[in-house]
This record gives sequence, structure tokens and C-alpha cells, in this order.
Amino acid sequence: GNSVTQMEGPVTLSEEAFLTINCTYTATGYPSLFWYVQYPGEGLQLLLKATKADDKGSNKGFEATYRKETTSFHLEKGSVQVSDSAVYFCALSPYNFNKFYFGSGTKLNVKP
Amino acid sequence: DTGVSQDPRHKITKRGQNVTFRCDPISEHNRLYWYRQTLGQGPEFLTYFQNEAQLEKSRLLSDRFSAERPKGSFSTLEIQRTEQGDSAMYLCASSARLAGGPSTTDTQYFGPGTRLTVL
Repeated sequence: GNSVTQMEGPVTLSEEAFLTINCTYTATGYPSLFWYVQYPGEGLQLLLKATKADDKGSNKGFEATYRKETTSFHLEKGSVQVSDSAVYFCALSPYNFNKFYFGSGTKLNVKP
Repeated sequence: DTGVSQDPRHKITKRGQNVTFRCDPISEHNRLYWYRQTLGQGPEFLTYFQNEAQLEKSRLLSDRFSAERPKGSFSTLEIQRTEQGDSAMYLCASSARLAGGPSTTDTQYFGPGTRLTVL
């Protein structure tokens, strides 16, 4: 079946610290992988995506690499800001894109 | 694009009442999805439409739930005889599956959600 597991939060970091949020997946076939972000009081926003093995998605200083051999899609950022405080969701979509499977979310708190 | 909109943003109802939510997708997006998100969890897929056809329904969608997309544009999600367990955020998303285009063009864009509280 299809499922996503991501590290539990909350994750609390100081501004300018390095961020890693782990995400691993189980999927049939060759899924596409996504990171969505949900800021307080707002809807889910696409942060980045990767559609095949070894692809790297990047946006706003965040990066994630599609690792087929380890079935992982870890989110990283070299220097977090207070404005990055949000809940981050890892998701996969099977080849035909008829639905997404989401992880349970990881809350990030960045302190000044 | 003005984005995906949902109405209402909040709904409080008493157990046993019926409620209906509306979703307006990004114009010309032919796919529309409904998800449910409970506190501390990620969204769970409920159903999706391609144009006006409802192509898949999750087992989470009991017979008290019904969704429609009559003209392939906006969609409604109705919950009959609401129960306290229905309290959740109901999310709508849309995407554009381009005819003949690669599936890698699909990205789901989410609305702000409708928060339902059943008392």
C-alpha cells in the first residue's frame, strides 16, 4: 500500500539553525513526492516536489531529494527564520495522481 | 488564478443536523478533491472528481456523506445526520490534468478549508 511516515514534532530551533525533517514512504510503483506547508490559520501550500528518483525539489531555501533506495524525501534548510514556523507535511501521489497520501505533519517552531 | 475557495470557513452544528460545504476550484482545473483533516493529523483523502464524474471514493466516506460536482466547476460536500466524530477540517483541492499532457504536471492546490464542529 501507500503511506508516509514523518518525524514527530514539535521541532524547536533557534533562528539560523539547520533544519532536517525526516520523511519516509511506502508506495506501489513510482510515486511523486511533495512537501506542503501550513502556516497558522492558512491552507496547505505546496513547498516543493520531486517526480522521479534522484530529483531534487527546492523552493525558498528548502530542499528535498527523492531517494528511491532509502524510500526517503527528507526536508532540509540551511538557515531557518522565524517566519518558517509552520506545520510541514510530506505527501506522496501514486503515478496516476488520483489522490495524495499525507504524513501526520511536523510542527516547526523557530525562536529568535 | 484566484485560488481555491471554500465556504463557509467555519460551521458549528448540532448532532443530527445536515450540513453542506462548497468548494470553488481554480478556474479550468478539471480535477477536484476532498480531504478531511483532524487535529494533529495530515489530510485524509475522501473523494475526487474529474470534470463532473466522481471517480473514486474512500471507505472513510460513509453513506451519510455525498459529494457532487454537477457542472464540472464547483463542488458540494454534504454530511447528513452529523455525528460528533465528523468534527474536522474539510479541505478541497484542485489540479489540472492536461489532456495528453504528462501526469507530472499535476499539483494539487488547496483551499483554506471548512472547520466543522458538531456539538
